[in-house]
Amino acid sequence: QVQLQESGPGLVKPSETLSLTCTVSGVSISRYYWGWIRQPPGKGLEWIGCIYTSGSTNYNPSLRSRVTISMDMSKNQFSLRLTSVTAADTAVYYCARVPGSIKGWFDPWGQGTLVTVSS
Amino acid sequence: DIQMTQSPSSLSASVGDRVSITCQASQDISDYLNWYQQKPGKAPNLLIYDASNLETGVPSRFSGSRSGTDFTFTISSLQPEDFATYYCQQYRNFPLTFGGGTKVEIK
Repeated sequence: QVQLQESGPGLVKPSETLSLTCTVSGVSISRYYWGWIRQPPGKGLEWIGCIYTSGSTNYNPSLRSRVTISMDMSKNQFSLRLTSVTAADTAVYYCARVPGSIKGWFDPWGQGTLVTVSS
Repeated sequence: DIQMTQSPSSLSASVGDRVSITCQASQDISDYLNWYQQKPGKAPNLLIYDASNLETGVPSRFSGSRSGTDFTFTISSLQPEDFATYYCQQYRNFPLTFGGGTKVEIK
C-alpha cells in the first residue's frame, strides 16, 4: 500500500523559504511521477508542480520563479521549496503520486500539512 | 491555461437523491478529466479518471461522462457518506488545473 507523509515547519515568516518533504512508503519513488498541490484555507486546489523519475520537473507558471521540487532516491523522499513567501502562500500543502504517464491524476495523496506564513 | 468552470458551487440534497455536477473546460481536453471527493480536514480522494473510469474500490453509484468540453459527475443515489466537496481536474495541458469545487450538503 502506497502511503505519503508531508513534513516540515508549520509556520514560516514572510520573505523566508518554505521547505517541505514528502516521505513515500510502499513503493520506490523511482517508479512513478510525484506532485505537490496546495489548498488555501476554505478555498480550492492549486497544482504547484511535478517531478519525474528522471529528475525533470514541471511547475505552475504562477509559481515557477519561486518553486523548486527535488528528489532524494536514497531516502525515498521528494521535497518542495518555495521562496519569498507571503501570506498568500498560507495553505494546506499536499504531496501525491501521479500513477499514470507524465501528467494525469493524483492518487494517493498525503494527509496534508498546514503552513502558515506570518511574522 | 485551461479553465475548468465547475457548477454549481454548492447544492443541497437528500439521501437517495440523484445528484449531478458539471465541469466545462475552456478548450478541448479530450477525456483528460478526473473527479475527486474531499471531506472536511481530509485530503482529496480520486473517484473517477479519464472522464468515466471508476477508480478501484469506488462504489458504482458514482459515474462520469463527457459531451464535448462538458463533463458530468453523477451520484445515482446519494448516501450519508457522500456529503463532501467534489473537484474536477484536467490534465490535457500544463498547468494542471482544478475546478472550483462543488459542496454537496444535506437538505
